Amino acid sequence: GENVEQHPSTLSVQEGDSAVIKCTYSDSASNYFPWYKQELGKRPQLIIDIRSNVGEKKDQRIAVTLNKTAKHFSLHITETQPEDSAVYFCAASGDTGFQKLVFGTGTRLLVSP
Amino acid sequence: GAVVSQHPSRVICKSGTSVKIECRSLDFQATTMFWYRQFPKQSLMLMATSNEGSKATYEQGVEKDKFLINHASLTLSTLTVTSAHPEDSSFYICSARDEAGVGFFGPGTRLTVL
Repeated sequence: GENVEQHPSTLSVQEGDSAVIKCTYSDSASNYFPWYKQELGKRPQLIIDIRSNVGEKKDQRIAVTLNKTAKHFSLHITETQPEDSAVYFCAASGDTGFQKLVFGTGTRLLVSP
Repeated sequence: GAVVSQHPSRVICKSGTSVKIECRSLDFQATTMFWYRQFPKQSLMLMATSNEGSKATYEQGVEKDKFLINHASLTLSTLTVTSAHPEDSSFYICSARDEAGVGFFGPGTRLTVL
């Protein structure tokens, strides 16, 4: 089955810096890669996703890149703000509603003012 | 985005009792829902896939008789933790994927077993 690895486990940056979180996956059949942000005690919220037919997707300060050959994808956050502090999870799956999302271990991002 | 609700948000029970958690997709039909468990400062561990009208598919190591799942309609799945013990205390979150395959989570249920 699918296995997703995520690095780093913790990341501390200064406000305004960029943050990069990386994930690798094992199943070459996976073609849907979402990123979730989870604040303490709350549900994970989707922040961006990418499908295998594209290599990069951007939404304001957030971008995701995908390298299907190498089976890795990354989350890039630019101009970080203190409110970006949270735990971020990557996931991999097939792209239908019947297929389970397999999550990485999470990255705790701390943005200091 | 789509909305998934979950009830109750918190429950405290005595050891040996059973607890039922409900997960609803409010604005879309979900033939498949997913139940996760999350320990403090850890990732989301998939427990089982709930299939409408058929038996749930459990992940390895998850006791199906301990965690009963029923998916009676296209918008409702329930997880019952039977004969709960303190080690079952955790944050339980359900999820459903919409027609585009995008996954949405319920707000979670924090279970504390005394």
